[in-house]
Amino acid sequence: RKEVEQDPGPFNVPEGATVAFNCTYSNSASQSFFWYRQDCRKEPKLLMSVYSSGNEDGRFTAQLNRASQYISLLIRDSKLSDSATYLCVVRYSGNTPLVFGKGTRLSVIA
Amino acid sequence: GAGVSQSPSNKVTEKGKDVELRCDPISGHTALYWYRQSLGQGLEFLIYFQGNSAPDKSGLPSDRFSAERTGGSVSTLTIQRTQQEDSAVYLCASSSWNNEQFFGPGTRLTVL
Repeated sequence: RKEVEQDPGPFNVPEGATVAFNCTYSNSASQSFFWYRQDCRKEPKLLMSVYSSGNEDGRFTAQLNRASQYISLLIRDSKLSDSATYLCVVRYSGNTPLVFGKGTRLSVIA
Repeated sequence: GAGVSQSPSNKVTEKGKDVELRCDPISGHTALYWYRQSLGQGLEFLIYFQGNSAPDKSGLPSDRFSAERTGGSVSTLTIQRTQQEDSAVYLCASSSWNNEQFFGPGTRLTVL
C-alpha cells in the first residue's frame, strides 16, 4: 500500500464550481500535513498546511481527520488559474523528508 | 531574496555515463533534500542533509547514487553509470528547522 494515496483525476470542472480532493495516509505516526500545488513542468509550491481543527485560506479549505487518516482540500469558486496538480503531503516529524502522494490533476474550464 | 537554484536545468546523457547535478539552497537553511519525480510518479525522497549530521541516505535507489554537501551549503548529487530508468526530474529543496521546504526548479535528466 502506498504511504499517501490520492485520486489521480483528472478533475475537469467549469469556472465557479466547487471541487474536493481527498487523500489517505498509512502511517499513523505522521505529524504534519500539507497540500502542495505543482504547475506543469514547475516545482511544487506549498499551498497550505493542514491542521486538525481545519483551516481556511480564501477559497481553499483543508481538513484533517487523524482517526481516519484522511486529509481533504476544498476549492470554492474555481478559477482558470487553479488548474494544476494538487499534491497531498505528510511528514513524520520535525525536519524529516516529505512523503508525497502522486497528485490529483485539476483542469478548470471556461 | 534568492530561492533554491539548481543546475543544469536540463541534462541529456548516454547510458553508462556519470552525471553531476548541483543544488544551491537558500542561504541559512540548514536542511537540504533531494527528491526525484519520474513520469507519472509522485515525488520520491532520495537523500537528506541536516546541519553537520550524517546524511539520511535511506531513499537512494542504488549504490550508483551518491550526494555530498560541502560547507553546509551547496550540494551535488552524482549518478554513476546512468541507466534509462534514471531519467526523471531531480528536485532539491531546503528549509530551516521544522519550516516549509522550498523547492528549486529541478534538473530534467534524460538518459538515452
